[in-house]
Amino acid sequence: QVQLQESGPGLVKASQTLSLTCTVSGGSISSGRYYWSWIRQPAGKGLEWIGRIYTSGSTSYNPSLKSRVTISVDTSNNRLSLNLSSVTAADTAAYYCARDGNYYYGMDVWGQGTTVTVSS
Amino acid sequence: QSVLTQPPSVSGAPGQRVSISCTGSSSNIGAGYDVHWYQQLPGTAPKLLIYGNNNRPSGVPDRFSGSRSGTSASLVIAGLQADFEADYYCQSYDSSLSGWVFGGGTKVTVL
Repeated sequence: QVQLQESGPGLVKASQTLSLTCTVSGGSISSGRYYWSWIRQPAGKGLEWIGRIYTSGSTSYNPSLKSRVTISVDTSNNRLSLNLSSVTAADTAAYYCARDGNYYYGMDVWGQGTTVTVSS
Repeated sequence: QSVLTQPPSVSGAPGQRVSISCTGSSSNIGAGYDVHWYQQLPGTAPKLLIYGNNNRPSGVPDRFSGSRSGTSASLVIAGLQADFEADYYCQSYDSSLSGWVFGGGTKVTVL
């Protein structure tokens, strides 16, 4: 059974880069059938899709974040990464990674999430 | 302002049937992209509840059902229970944004 676990600093200073890792266990990130997405959720608010990556390395990003986001995959260590640059307080949120089955299947496996606070 | 529109809240008595709407546009639901629904219990990660408009993953009770028509979709909970109190989100793909979009979420309260 595939499980996802996010990790990274819980506190990031404004203007710096937020870097998170999502480790995949119980299955290969290179299975070829799935995308891998990042989603965030400010406290008390709704879900916002950040972007996703296919195992080929092909990426797509939310246009509102595209200029600041980089998602990458490390197949040898079965993990994906999220970098979000020039952060502000508006980037304070819980960040989730999820296995993305694309149009028909949705996101069927989610990590537990990690909370990141941007401090001034 | 979310691309997909959901009512902020719905409520009902135990055993009652409730419905949550999700309204999109011609670039997402109306374009034929499938709708997915997620349940988020307090303090937990979202969980896939319905995929492909009307399919339940293994383990999801058949009290939950989904449908899609035109530019909208609906989630029906038939027979509310206390442990169904949660936030529910719809999701679809948007061709104008070339990515996933979510509804703003609906809080379900059991009276």
